[in-house]
Amino acid sequence: QSVLTQPPSVSGAPGQRVTISCTGSSSNIGAGYDVHWYQQLPGTAPKLLIYGNSNRPSGVPDRFSGSKSGTSASLAITGLQAEDEADYYCQSYDSSLSTHVVFGGGTKLTVL
Amino acid sequence: EVQLVESGGGLVKPGGSLRLSCAASGFTFSSYSMNWVRQAPGKGLEWVSSISSSSSYIYYADSVKGRFTISRDNAKNSLYLQMNSLRAEDTAVYYCAREWYGRYYFDYWGQGTLVTVSS
Repeated sequence: QSVLTQPPSVSGAPGQRVTISCTGSSSNIGAGYDVHWYQQLPGTAPKLLIYGNSNRPSGVPDRFSGSKSGTSASLAITGLQAEDEADYYCQSYDSSLSTHVVFGGGTKLTVL
Repeated sequence: EVQLVESGGGLVKPGGSLRLSCAASGFTFSSYSMNWVRQAPGKGLEWVSSISSSSSYIYYADSVKGRFTISRDNAKNSLYLQMNSLRAEDTAVYYCAREWYGRYYFDYWGQGTLVTVSS
């Protein structure tokens, strides 16, 4: 059971917009800690996609955007492309745990 | 170019030990906290351990506390994870990851090394 809750899967057709939610609690996202997102293409290492809730590292297309509100965060992908098919993970900090770094369980994005 | 290259994975029997290494290049290794994150087959990401730039602060996940030891050698630009009393549930790909200046996120990851614990 992950501290951060994500839907196991989402899907969309090419060109569409999809969102992936990440729900936490008052000890992590709700406490004001930043949310970060990673993309893991099949058979590869995770890659930083969004940091600090809504910032994109250099090289990440602006089709990817992040937002945070209350105890939840969201990753939005617009203009869906086949190459976006991957697993997506949210991550934050939790003040109530000795293991301060927490991940969501991951969401598998399928491009139809 | 930032590079993180893990090594040391393999097959080990339950109760055995293994030492993972992560060779860093392309950045000032001694300025960054480093982490180990693992991923069991077909499962999600699990943070394992972190070590601050000067080794002053070290943290572990409850699942590995008392069995794993993280360390680093800034002179050799290397990160290590000594894993003792290994269990079947420790089977995973282990990634080393650079942490961005105390912001608790990981901007670069290695390719991972597979640890399999089985008799």
